Amino acid sequence: DAKTTQPTSMDCAEGRAANLPCNHSTISGNEYVYWYRQIHSQGPQYIIHGLKNNETNEMASLIITEDRKSSTLILPHATLRDTAVYYCIVETGANNLFFGTGTRLTVIP
Amino acid sequence: DAGVTQSPTHLIKTRGQQVTLRCSPKSGHDTVSWYQQALGQGPQFIFQYYEEEERQRGNFPDRFSGHQFPNYSSELNVNALLLGDSALYLCASSLVHSRAQYFGPGTRLTVL
Repeated sequence: DAKTTQPTSMDCAEGRAANLPCNHSTISGNEYVYWYRQIHSQGPQYIIHGLKNNETNEMASLIITEDRKSSTLILPHATLRDTAVYYCIVETGANNLFFGTGTRLTVIP
Repeated sequence: DAGVTQSPTHLIKTRGQQVTLRCSPKSGHDTVSWYQQALGQGPQFIFQYYEEEERQRGNFPDRFSGHQFPNYSSELNVNALLLGDSALYLCASSLVHSRAQYFGPGTRLTVL
């Protein structure tokens, strides 16, 4: 399974877009990119996933570069409730998720 | 609210004891996965159950075992508890062909 590299922490102003980067330079052709987040003291929450194309849902957008070696999760209008640890995961299936240490996003009022 | 429930919320055991944790999946889900999350770390995959059988297993010793019942609920059993087993144990449910897992709130296990 490909490993990912994420910044340890990031800050974002409330109401602004939060752009969380992830590098996965060793990703293989059949591996998906998943994003989960974990708010303090809660279980992780699924956000979005993608293979090649950009994806958007009610929570976020996922932008995957053409060479698939990196991706960006975009929260369009960050709120205080978006403060959490965000995990970028690369996996062939959804069965065995390797979470790593993630990016701690702090949304500032 | 993801709909996955876990019990108990907290548990305190002593070294050498055995523990059973329980998970009820989100309605309609047929697959249950278990993860261990040590303090300050990301969750680590323990194993996954589908159709009452273990499908995949992470790098955990045989002291960790599980079961899935016909109603898709699941149990995680840990024997001969060690201090290092202290962690948050998370259950996640999904549909077998879905790529999204939905996590419960976890069970906090403390081993003294």
